[in-house]
Amino acid sequence: AQSVAQPEDQVNVAEGNPLTVKCTYSVSGNPYLFWYVQYPNRGLQFLLKYITGDNLVKGSYGFEAEFNKSQTSFHLKKPSALVSDSALYFCAVSPKLNAGKSTFGDGTTLTVKP
Amino acid sequence: DSGVTQTPKHLITATGQRVTLRCSPRSGDLSVYWYQQSLDQGLQFLIQYYNGEERAKGNILERFSAQQFPDLHSELNLSSLELGDSALYFCASSPWTSGSYEQYFGPGTRLTVT
Repeated sequence: AQSVAQPEDQVNVAEGNPLTVKCTYSVSGNPYLFWYVQYPNRGLQFLLKYITGDNLVKGSYGFEAEFNKSQTSFHLKKPSALVSDSALYFCAVSPKLNAGKSTFGDGTTLTVKP
Repeated sequence: DSGVTQTPKHLITATGQRVTLRCSPRSGDLSVYWYQQSLDQGLQFLIQYYNGEERAKGNILERFSAQQFPDLHSELNLSSLELGDSALYFCASSPWTSGSYEQYFGPGTRLTVT
């Protein structure tokens, strides 16, 4: 069975500092990996994806993530955090051979303090 | 705005009742997903449809059923409702073509079972 782990329930960073939100996954075969962000009382918004190719993927709002196959990780990063980045972040995985079956992590709450 | 619409926004009903949640996908997206989000269980994948056919199934209870119609809108039917079914139900749509498996979420329907 596939699974996603987001080991930190909460990440706190100061505005202007780099941020990392961690994600590790387990899936049979090659994965499709995604990051989504959820603001209060809103649906999830797609940030970025890894399908194939370059291990470093860039997404919306200056976010990027690095796919590391050997460590089965897909950590979300941003060089300089903004207060407006404060939200709930979800990592998700789908197996390439059954791309419709998505598994989401439990989410990490990111708080960026001014 | 993701382009995915869900109705109603809020629904309050009693135990034992049946409700129908409706979702209209983004223009051009052939795939629709349903998720349940609750505080204790996180975001749970329920079911996926592609162009009217069921493609993937997650942790969907037998009391729940869904379908996707020829115009691609989808409905999630929840019956014999229990208190534990109170949650936020999200619909998402996706192009679900090669390289484009990211999902676009609607604003959700908040179901309260009393």
